[in-house]
Amino acid sequence: GENVEQHPSTLSVQEGDSAVIKCTYSDSASNYFPWYKQELGKGPQLIIDIRSNVGEKKDQRIAVTLNKTAKHFSLHITETQPEDSAVYFCAVPPPSGGSYIPTFGRGTSLIVHP
Amino acid sequence: EPEVTQTPSHQVTQMGQEVILRCVPISNHLYFYWYRQILGQKVEFLVSFYNNEISEKSEIFDDQFSVERPDGSNFTLKIRSTKLEDSAMYFCASSTIEKLFFGSGTQLSVL
Repeated sequence: GENVEQHPSTLSVQEGDSAVIKCTYSDSASNYFPWYKQELGKGPQLIIDIRSNVGEKKDQRIAVTLNKTAKHFSLHITETQPEDSAVYFCAVPPPSGGSYIPTFGRGTSLIVHP
Repeated sequence: EPEVTQTPSHQVTQMGQEVILRCVPISNHLYFYWYRQILGQKVEFLVSFYNNEISEKSEIFDDQFSVERPDGSNFTLKIRSTKLEDSAMYFCASSTIEKLFFGSGTQLSVL
């Protein structure tokens, strides 16, 4: 199965700073890379995703970058705000074929201090 | 905006009892999933369901677990004889192909 590593496990920043979370994967055939945000007491919610034919995608203050050669992708949050505090999970699809069952990273707990 | 709904939000049960967790997926989605999350840990895949049958299941999804889509809208997870280690947050998700949409979860506590 897919081996997914996510770092760091916790990240503490001051409001306004940038935050970067990195995810590495093992299967070079993977081609879809989503990030999920989980707020306290809620289910994970998709916040941004990227496909393997692009290297970067932005949506306001969040961006995802992909390095297929090195097999890692990162979530970037700029101008962090307290409401960005949550647990963030990367997910990686299974090897080609079969059902889409993503493997989730272990999560990064982001704390934004006002 | 359509969303996945789960009931109940909290369930407390005695060890050995049966529980049924309920989910209403997004109406035009074709794939349905159950995941669980033990406190402070990552989200773990349990089972996926497509075309009225299980398409994949993990090692966690043993004979104590079953899923059902009893009608056109509900998707249920049954745990036949709960164990202490079944205590977790259980998430239902649905998708068209790749984008999973999760419900808010059912917190199951087995005493």
